[in-house]
Amino acid sequence: SAVISQKPSRDICQRGTSLTIQCQVDSQVTMMFWYRQQPGQSLTLIATANQGSEATYESGFVIDKFPISRPNLTFSTLTVSNMSPEDSSIYLCSVEETPYGYTFGSGTRLTVV
Amino acid sequence: GENVEQHPSTLSVQEGDSAVIKCTYSDSASNYFPWYKQELGKGPQLIIDIRSNVGEKKDQRIAVTLNKTAKHFSLHITETQPEDSAVYFCAASINTGGFKTIFGAGTRLFVKA
Repeated sequence: SAVISQKPSRDICQRGTSLTIQCQVDSQVTMMFWYRQQPGQSLTLIATANQGSEATYESGFVIDKFPISRPNLTFSTLTVSNMSPEDSSIYLCSVEETPYGYTFGSGTRLTVV
Repeated sequence: GENVEQHPSTLSVQEGDSAVIKCTYSDSASNYFPWYKQELGKGPQLIIDIRSNVGEKKDQRIAVTLNKTAKHFSLHITETQPEDSAVYFCAASINTGGFKTIFGAGTRLFVKA
C-alpha cells in the first residue's frame, strides 16, 4: 500500500494565523482526501483534491477557510486559515487504494491558542 | 445520505476475552465496509474489510460479519491482547466510481492485562 508522509506532525498556533499542512505520497494517486478529526470524534471529510482541478469541498467547509493545493499526483497541501480555537483538531490526508480502502497519513495535531 | 452508527463507544475487556463492535448503516446502496484501527498519535489503519457480496471474513484473530438485510456489520476480535487497545472505526462506502465513505463515531477498546 501507499506510504504517506504528513508534515508537521503537530503544531501550536496563535489564533488569527494560518498553518499549511503538507502531504507527500510515495506513488502517483488520482485523488487525495483531507479529513478532520476533532478531539474524541470520528473522521469528517473536508475535501477531495484532484490534480489539475479545484478541490471539491464537503458541506460545512469552504475554500477560503481551507484552501487546498494539488500541484502533482504525489503531493497536496491543506491550509487552515485565520485559525480559532475551534480549529484545534487532527488533520489527516489519505488516498484511496481500491480494493484496500483508504490509507491515511499519521496526521497533524493542531492546537490553536 | 448515508449514516453509520457504531456501538459501544467504549469497551473494556480482559486480556484473552473476545471483543465485539457493532455498526449499522442506513443506505442500502453501500457495498464496501472497512474497519480501521487508530492507535494514539497515529492515523487510522485498515485492518479488515468486507464487501456486500460476502457475509463473513476472517483474518487470524479478527473477523467481520455483514447482514445486508438488517444493514448491520460487526467486528469480532478473539483472544484479545493489550496491543489491541486502540480506537476502532467502522465505515460504509458506496462505490460511485470512487468510494464515498462515511465513518462511525469510533469505539475505544481497552484490553486489561
